[in-house]
Amino acid sequence: AIQMTQSPSSLSASVGDRVTITCRASQGIGNDLAWYLQKPGKAPKLLIYAISNLQSGVPSRFSGSGSGSDFTLTISSLQPEDFATYYCQQHYNFPRTFGQGTKVEVK
Amino acid sequence: EVRLLESGGDLVQPGGSLRLSCEASGFTFSIYAMSWVRQAPGKGLEWVSTISGNAGSTYIAESVRGRFSISRDNSKHTVYLQMNSLRAEDTALYFCAKEATGVGGEIDDWGQGTLVTVSS
Repeated sequence: AIQMTQSPSSLSASVGDRVTITCRASQGIGNDLAWYLQKPGKAPKLLIYAISNLQSGVPSRFSGSGSGSDFTLTISSLQPEDFATYYCQQHYNFPRTFGQGTKVEVK
Repeated sequence: EVRLLESGGDLVQPGGSLRLSCEASGFTFSIYAMSWVRQAPGKGLEWVSTISGNAGSTYIAESVRGRFSISRDNSKHTVYLQMNSLRAEDTALYFCAKEATGVGGEIDDWGQGTLVTVSS
């Protein structure tokens, strides 16, 4: 199975900060990489698909980049509603695998 | 608007069985792969199973293989997860999820989840 490793596991930030989360796959996954946001008690929500494509309705402060096995999610200016846990996921093959999550907390 | 409504979660004893259901609406159900993803209390997301739009292909996580099975009824717009020989470690919130393509895509819609608790 492809392992997805996110870093950091958690971070503290303030409103307006630029936030970067990285995700490394244990092998190349082409562009089959998605990012999700999850708030406590809620279902995950798709933010970015195919490494860098913004899902409809997602604010432009979110962006994704990377290639091969190294990927990045960036929030250009953190907003109050962005405090949540973020997951990357590969859908290159089965079993689908998620990163362990990155919790973005208030500093 | 896509809606995914899970049901069937319950408290069950170890070794017991449950069948989860997910009724979908708001899209052409038979075109899209459907998945189940679970989340144990305080833990991250774990993919469980995926079924293609025409039910011709199914995929299952190693952790539940031989105990869980996925199926769908396109006439009822419903996907199922049959869970047998349940263990304490199967305790989780189970999300129904729609993939963005027939199979092989990201998950673009999620249900709110149904809670399965395995305990004596």
